[in-house]
Amino acid sequence: EDKVVQSPLSLVVHEGDTVTLNCSYEVTNFRSLLWYKQEKKAPTFLFMLTSSGIEKKSGRLSSILDKKELFSILNITATQTGDSAVYLCAVETYGQNFVFGPGTRLSVLP
Amino acid sequence: DSGVTQTPKHLITATGQRVTLRCSPRSGDLSVYWYQQSLDQGLQFLIQYYNGEERAKGNILERFSAQQFPDLHSELNLSSLELGDSALYFCASSVAGAGTYGYTFGSGTRLTVV
Repeated sequence: EDKVVQSPLSLVVHEGDTVTLNCSYEVTNFRSLLWYKQEKKAPTFLFMLTSSGIEKKSGRLSSILDKKELFSILNITATQTGDSAVYLCAVETYGQNFVFGPGTRLSVLP
Repeated sequence: DSGVTQTPKHLITATGQRVTLRCSPRSGDLSVYWYQQSLDQGLQFLIQYYNGEERAKGNILERFSAQQFPDLHSELNLSSLELGDSALYFCASSVAGAGTYGYTFGSGTRLTVV
């Protein structure tokens, strides 16, 4: 059975801290790994990763994939209160199935 | 506004009833995905349609069904509703698969079964 695991499940930091969110997966026919940020409503897309070792970066957020060890990390530097959200990791397979992890709830305190 | 439109935004109905959730994908997107998000189970993939045809099936109950119409909008039908069906139902769309930019979620329909 395809599975995506995220850790930690919950994280509380202060503004300015750097956080690393982890996502590991066990799926057949891996196609891509996606990160989403979910605040109050719909998840919003952050990154899609398909190749190992290539860092994707957007502002203070960056992510990298390791297809050998089957995990990805999402880094957020200099966190702000606006980064408070649930961060979802999802894996797409070639069967066009999508498996989401449980999410990491990040709370950034002022 | 993500471009993916879901209606209604909120729905309250009694057990045993049937409801229909509607989704209009972003312009140009051919794929529509349905997800269920409940507090204890996270985001669960239900089903995907591509250009009118069912493409992939996830953890969708037999009491649930979906279809995608020629104008590419999709409907998710939930019947014989149970209390445990209370959840947020998301629709997402993409051109085909996750493509280069993942896929775009609508703002969801919150279903409450009483």
